[in-house]
Amino acid sequence: EPEVTQTPSHQVTQMGQEVILRCVPISNHLYFYWYRQILGQKVEFLVSFYNNEISEKSEIFDDQFSVERPDGSNFTLKIRSTKLEDSAMYFCASSDRGAQPQHFGDGTRLSIL
Amino acid sequence: DQQVKQNSPSLSVQEGRISILNCDYTNSMFDYFLWYKKYPAEGPTFLISISSIKDKNEDGRFTVFLNKSAKHLSLHIVPSQPGDSAVYFCAASVRNRDDKIIFGKGTRLHILP
Repeated sequence: EPEVTQTPSHQVTQMGQEVILRCVPISNHLYFYWYRQILGQKVEFLVSFYNNEISEKSEIFDDQFSVERPDGSNFTLKIRSTKLEDSAMYFCASSDRGAQPQHFGDGTRLSIL
Repeated sequence: DQQVKQNSPSLSVQEGRISILNCDYTNSMFDYFLWYKKYPAEGPTFLISISSIKDKNEDGRFTVFLNKSAKHLSLHIVPSQPGDSAVYFCAASVRNRDDKIIFGKGTRLHILP
């Protein structure tokens, strides 16, 4: 069964450094998402992306965050200058149509030191 | 901002019996509801969904019931199996507007031998 893959599985970064989290969505999917889950808290929506542009973003997704689909397969989340509070599991998801079930990757654990 | 609430952090059920997981929501604009299952170190896996025009949807051992007037949904698993032990997330979205998913905090289900 096709799946969403995320790399790396764990990223450790110094505070203030830039980090890029990578995702390969399911190949025929057109809608892409990033969510995060801080330890002990809910899974929270960050951003949705369709037709090469952001369709919606949450208040968490400030100017330090950006997303890109640099080629036909990858979808990336960049955090420009990481903060301690960015430490979380980051999940990528995709769906073949809007408002259909989103399928999630296994996440990247981001640890900011 | 708890638009989707799962009030039971954990639930233990004997193998072979019925597991019932409950969820309440506050946003009357939600018209699409989903259940996800999550094992440790994995991403959420889509289980079953229901549109607000229905009050029941069944898929094998899993049935979701929706009571719109009470803003309540439940997931029934019957019979419960050891592999069902996981965290279950209730989630909701507004179709055709924004497609972000709002998650509950999750209920940890333990299936007892």
